[in-house]
Amino acid sequence: DAEITQSPRHKITETGRQVTLACHQTWNHNNMFWYRQDLGHGLRLIHYSYGVQDTNKGEVSDGYSVSRSNTEDLPLTLESAASSQTSVYFCASSVSGVETQYFGPGTRLLVL
Amino acid sequence: GQSLEQPSEVTAVEGAIVQINCTYQTSGFYGLSWYQQHDGGAPTFLSYNALDGLEETGRFSSFLSRSDSYGYLLLQELQMKDSASYFCAVGIDDKIIFGKGTRLHILP
Repeated sequence: DAEITQSPRHKITETGRQVTLACHQTWNHNNMFWYRQDLGHGLRLIHYSYGVQDTNKGEVSDGYSVSRSNTEDLPLTLESAASSQTSVYFCASSVSGVETQYFGPGTRLLVL
Repeated sequence: GQSLEQPSEVTAVEGAIVQINCTYQTSGFYGLSWYQQHDGGAPTFLSYNALDGLEETGRFSSFLSRSDSYGYLLLQELQMKDSASYFCAVGIDDKIIFGKGTRLHILP
């Protein structure tokens, strides 16, 4: 069955380190999204991509970057991790449009 | 600005009906979506209203009124497994904006 996976599921890192979170989907969806979820803020869009080589900034993109070299993967990189980036990160994909998205299981990131 | 407002918490009794409202301060969006999220889990898509009116999917129904800037999710025959957070969301331009979520508590 097609699916969307994220790795690692849990990560502890130190302030200043570079961290990359992986997202892989087997639905062949063109659209992929990264969100962070924090208490009191709901889901906030970090970056998104509508196809290979396409990337766009979302609401809270500072300190994050993405690249899209193929349809299946959209890795999220924290250039220099900060304690404020401690959060749960969700990757999502959709076949077209933005309204019906399928989410991965999430990555819990703790920055010490 | 663009914002979605929904109640932070709602409590209902098992077997009853509950309505979760979503009001928005935005324009030019494509439609209203609803997602469910259980504790520790990922959001899962429930429904989407592209047009005004009621959409029904089993025990869940969703409604949209663009003229009133308002929508709601209706859950019938509540079951304990429906205890979760529910998020409304709109697609604007090429992005999706989520409300902050409504925590649904179900009493036996």
